[in-house]
Amino acid sequence: NAGVTQTPKFQVLKTGQSMTLQCAQDMNHNSMYWYRQDPGMGLRLIHYSVGEGTTAKGEVPDGYNVSRLNKREFSLRLESAAPSQTSVYFCASSYSIGMNTEAFFGQGTRLTVV
Amino acid sequence: LAKTTQPISMDSYEGQEVNITCSHNNIATNDYITWYQQFPSQGPRFIIQGYKTKVTNEVASLFIPADRKSSTLSLPRVSLSDTAVYYCLVGGSGYALNFGKGTSLLVTP
Repeated sequence: NAGVTQTPKFQVLKTGQSMTLQCAQDMNHNSMYWYRQDPGMGLRLIHYSVGEGTTAKGEVPDGYNVSRLNKREFSLRLESAAPSQTSVYFCASSYSIGMNTEAFFGQGTRLTVV
Repeated sequence: LAKTTQPISMDSYEGQEVNITCSHNNIATNDYITWYQQFPSQGPRFIIQGYKTKVTNEVASLFIPADRKSSTLSLPRVSLSDTAVYYCLVGGSGYALNFGKGTSLLVTP
């Protein structure tokens, strides 16, 4: 069981470039999430999905788009990267949405925008 | 969502018991209390969850008083490998996980 797999693990972008962060889970979970983590800030929710074909905005959605391609995959796209988007990005999944559900996290993508 | 307050940081020596308290005065009837642990350069992982009284597993214990307005995560005999950030989450179904800044625990020899 791989759990939650994120690719790539590291990425350096130039300002204005675009890229897609990939996330896949093999636990048949319905809900998936994208978070960013900055030093001293904890994790902040960017977007999430409660099922295939549905997405919703989180706390910090500006500058990001997401796609729930199927039940397994949830991608995060930066259309025009900015230095403020330098961060560590975590994908997570859970069987259902709720503060009382157990979520499983990927290993993170460390993104630097120069 | 219930607002949670926990210490920003704590220090401990190896072998000591560490207690991290989380305040959540406006907890709702259906809310559960969940703790996650995050090691450096890794994603958070679930460690324990409870609704009331005491819950214990192989990693930690969670103490919840009758009024449920606070909870205490107890880590017995910590080791250097317990150095991590610990997050207290309070809520029920229907909401995406909302992490605060957590408590950064540093264990030293």
